[in-house]
Amino acid sequence: DARVTQTPRHKVTEMGQEVTMRCQPILGHNTVFWYRQTMMQGLELLAYFRNRAPLDDSGMPKDRFSAEMPDATLATLKIQPSEPRDSAVYFCASGLNRGRPYFGPGTRLTVL
Amino acid sequence: GESVGLHLPTLSVQEGDNSIINCAYSNSASDYFIWYKQESGKGPQFIIDIRSNMDKRQGQRVTVLLNKTVKHLSLQIAATQPGDSAVYFCAENPDGGSQGNLIFGKGTKLSVKP
Repeated sequence: DARVTQTPRHKVTEMGQEVTMRCQPILGHNTVFWYRQTMMQGLELLAYFRNRAPLDDSGMPKDRFSAEMPDATLATLKIQPSEPRDSAVYFCASGLNRGRPYFGPGTRLTVL
Repeated sequence: GESVGLHLPTLSVQEGDNSIINCAYSNSASDYFIWYKQESGKGPQFIIDIRSNMDKRQGQRVTVLLNKTVKHLSLQIAATQPGDSAVYFCAENPDGGSQGNLIFGKGTKLSVKP
């Protein structure tokens, strides 16, 4: 049963520290999304890639967030420096072209 | 800006009854819609989708209805079970399907009473 995997599942860090979240999309999927979920804002699209090229990162704070796909099997989302307001659950999702996204289990980030 | 919204933030139903969860969308260019179910501590899970060239689609115990005239989407769950308790999100593809990204509504929490 193919699934999107994300690591770590939970991360607690102090303000100012760098945070790196990793995602392994489903094999064969060429589109990768990063979403952030909070109680106040719900699910927000941060960025997404197709064939490893960034298509849209307008939802991402550029000064501290960066998203990359070093290869087709790995997507990363980095926050540097992290702030308490970054505390949220970060979801990675993958899909094939315009097909529906399949979500991973999420990384719960707490920034103290 | 345009966004997807929900009429009801919470819904409580009796086990065995039918549930209806509603969603309003504002982007007339959206041509693809999805319903996701999210259980506590998990990622959203696909339930059913529909394209704008259809007005109804059925799955196992679920039906999605699309009314493009009033930009309304609904999810019907037949014979609701305790395992259906979750938050349900509607999502739309806002740019006519050219890229595949989705915008999500705020979600409706469904509670099923035994």
